[in-house]
Amino acid sequence: QSVLTQPPSASGTPGQRVTISCSGGSSYVGTNTVNWYQQLPGTAPKLLIYTNNQRPSGVPDRFSGSKSGTSASLAISGLQSEDEADYYCAAWDDSLNGVVFGGGTKLTVL
Amino acid sequence: QVQLVQSGAEVKKPGASVKVSCKASGYTFTDYYMHWVRQAPGQGFEWMGWINPNGGGTIYAQKFQGRVTMTRDTAISTAYMELTRLRSDDTAVYYCARRGRESLPPDYWGQGTLVTVSS
Repeated sequence: QSVLTQPPSASGTPGQRVTISCSGGSSYVGTNTVNWYQQLPGTAPKLLIYTNNQRPSGVPDRFSGSKSGTSASLAISGLQSEDEADYYCAAWDDSLNGVVFGGGTKLTVL
Repeated sequence: QVQLVQSGAEVKKPGASVKVSCKASGYTFTDYYMHWVRQAPGQGFEWMGWINPNGGGTIYAQKFQGRVTMTRDTAISTAYMELTRLRSDDTAVYYCARRGRESLPPDYWGQGTLVTVSS
């Protein structure tokens, strides 16, 4: 059972905006920043968002992140078929002294 | 560009050990901690620990303490993760992943190494 809570699935049609939530306790999401990753089938994760809302170079601005209190969100606007993937959040846990992950959200583009 | 290239897939019997390597390039190896994370088939990610290549200090997740050893060879910019007393539930893809420049969780990830434990 994952420490951070994500919905197991999400879906949308091309062009729509979807959001994926990530909630956790005060020792991780509450006090530390959140990263988001995209994992296409059979591949390694790719960093989409770091420190809550920053995009690495090369990541389209259709992807955005936010955090409030002990919850974070990933938003994908202008949904495209190639966005169909698994999405994971992660944060540092001060109690564990390590990284904790969400269970992942499988995004389906209808 | 940052690249982390891992060793190939392994098949091990229960009770055996496995050692996975991760060769870094495109940045100064000793400037960034290296995480090790695993993903069981169809499951999410599990953090195993990390190593500071500058000095070799390690922190292991409690679950793996006593079974995991993380080391590095700075001369060849390579990190290693050895897991002993393997069980069937250790079957997973093992990733090395560099600590983020501005965040503690990873930024760049290796391609993954599938370790299969089966009798």
